[in-house]
Amino acid sequence: EIVMTQSPDTLSVSPGERATLSCRASQSVGSNLAWYQQKPGQAPRLLIYGASTRATGIPARFSGSGSGTEFTLTISSLQSEDFAVYYCLQYNNWPPYTFGQGTTLEIK
Amino acid sequence: EVQLLESGGGLVQPGGSLRLSCAASGFTLSSYAMSWVRQAPGKGLEWVSVISGSGDNTYYAGSVKGRFTISRANSKNTLYLQLNSLRAEDTAIYFCARDGLPTGWYGAEFDYWGQGTLVTVSS
Repeated sequence: EIVMTQSPDTLSVSPGERATLSCRASQSVGSNLAWYQQKPGQAPRLLIYGASTRATGIPARFSGSGSGTEFTLTISSLQSEDFAVYYCLQYNNWPPYTFGQGTTLEIK
Repeated sequence: EVQLLESGGGLVQPGGSLRLSCAASGFTLSSYAMSWVRQAPGKGLEWVSVISGSGDNTYYAGSVKGRFTISRANSKNTLYLQLNSLRAEDTAIYFCARDGLPTGWYGAEFDYWGQGTLVTVSS
């Protein structure tokens, strides 16, 4: 089973600043990595798939990069609606599909 | 518009059973593999099970294998998850999610999710 580890667990950033979230895989997952945003009481929302492709309707301030075992989600200028929990998902080696433990992005 | 609507959650005693449903609309269900993903209260996301578009192939997480059964009725646009021998640690919100590629096969990201249904296992 591939273990996905996100860092940091919590990230405090001011609105308008840049946020950088990391996700590491215990073995290579190629580019088969997705990022999700989840707000309280809501379902996860797909942001990025294929490590770097934005999903439909996702603003350009969200970008993904990386391949193999190291991945990054960058939010270039934080808006108030971006404060949420973010998860990475690997879908290269399954079953099982595996998620990271999540990074909470909070207002500084 | 793609929509997924789960139902069937509730309070059940340890050792009990429950069947969850996920009603799909806005797309051809048979063209997509479908998964169930759960989230324990205050915790992260855990993949539970996946079924191919035809329903011929299924996979399960080790934590539920032998206790849960995924199935689908494409003619009814509905996905199911039968939960048996429930334990306290199965308490979670259960989401259904669509595979990102219209191949009927799995191995892509989950592009659409339902709002979830809460299962509580407690005496």
